Amino acid sequence: DTQMTQSPSSLSASVGDRVTITCRASQSISSHLNWYQQKPGKAPKLLIYAASRLQSGVPSRFSGSGSGTDFTLTISSLQPEDFATYYCHQSYSAPWTFGQGTKVDIK
Amino acid sequence: EEQLLESGGGVVQPGGSLRLSCTASGFTFSNYGFSWVRQAPGKGLEWVSSFSGSGGSTYYAGSVKGRFTISRDNSKNTLYLQMNSLRTEDTALYYCGRHGHSDGFDVWGQGTVVTVSS
Repeated sequence: DTQMTQSPSSLSASVGDRVTITCRASQSISSHLNWYQQKPGKAPKLLIYAASRLQSGVPSRFSGSGSGTDFTLTISSLQPEDFATYYCHQSYSAPWTFGQGTKVDIK
Repeated sequence: EEQLLESGGGVVQPGGSLRLSCTASGFTFSNYGFSWVRQAPGKGLEWVSSFSGSGGSTYYAGSVKGRFTISRDNSKNTLYLQMNSLRTEDTALYYCGRHGHSDGFDVWGQGTVVTVSS
């Protein structure tokens, strides 16, 4: 199975900050990496698919990069509505797996 | 509007069974693959099972293989998850998700709660 490791597990940031979350796969997953945002009591929301493609309707301050085993989600200027938990997800090979999540809260 | 609606959750004793349903609306159900994803209370997301959009292939997490069965009825626009031999560790909120580009889950339901307890 492909293990997905996110870092950090949590971070505190201020509105306007640039935030970077990393996700490492235990083996190569090419570009089959997706990022989700989840707010309390809500279903996850797809932000980025195929490592770097912005899902329709998602603000351009979100971006993704990487391939192989190392991936990054960047929020260029953190907004109040971005405080949430973020998950990476590999869809390269079954069993598909998620990272453990990164909680972004207010500094 | 493209929507998924889960149902069928509830409270069941260890060893019991439940069948979850996920009904789609607003898009052509048969064109897509779907997955079940669960989230235990206070925990992260865990992929459970998938049904591909083409070819009818099914996949399972090791933790549910042999106990859960995923199926779909395109005439009813519905995805199912038959859960047998339930364990306390299966307690979670169960979501269904639609496979979009690169199999990212681009549409999610609101989830249905499964509680396994004696």
